[in-house]
Amino acid sequence: DAGITQSPRHKVTETGTPVTLRCHQTENHRYMYWYRQDPGHGLRLIHYSYGVKDTDKGEVSDGYSVSRSKTEDFLLTLESATSSQTSVYFCAIKGDSLNTEAFFGQGTRLTVV
Amino acid sequence: EDQVTQSPEALRLQEGESSSLNCSYTVSGLRGLFWYRQDPGKGPEFLFTLYSAGEEKEKERLKATLTKKESFLHITAPKPEDSATYLCAVRVDSSYKLIFGSGTRLLVRP
Repeated sequence: DAGITQSPRHKVTETGTPVTLRCHQTENHRYMYWYRQDPGHGLRLIHYSYGVKDTDKGEVSDGYSVSRSKTEDFLLTLESATSSQTSVYFCAIKGDSLNTEAFFGQGTRLTVV
Repeated sequence: EDQVTQSPEALRLQEGESSSLNCSYTVSGLRGLFWYRQDPGKGPEFLFTLYSAGEEKEKERLKATLTKKESFLHITAPKPEDSATYLCAVRVDSSYKLIFGSGTRLLVRP
């Protein structure tokens, strides 16, 4: 298995509270991604990073922010959680070469009540 | 707008009954098409990468093919353990983003 660890694996939080999800990798890969997965929508890209302190938005970035201060860690923050952010969140990592695949973590199931 | 569409949404097969899953795409410049398998409660697991029309890849009972407009994942004589959701994704131009389809849920009954 690719060395990706997501934490926590499950979380229930209240509307309006801040939430931070962590993705940790041991592969020293340059590229890291955050996706959310919802029924009928597949995987949708939230944010991605192409290096330390280098990040960019994906297709569903509103309400989310990210930070990458170290190669191995990519944090996803929901500044003020809403019920529409209830989802399963996946982190992925990818090596430097264009022609390499992405590897995914096990996911974090987030419920906003 | 770059788009990936998978069909069917769900597929039920009897063990041994071969079939194909479809992934059609409309993108500005394909730089790779990826197939993943996802089991319930787990992250997607990489299966294949295809880069150019006419390319084929095989792994056990699975075979992936690519044309200029679509990719097929052929499943030959499937077994119940092949039951999963199969996801297709594309990378376009020089971006490192992967755009995913909604997936096909495959159920293989004994």
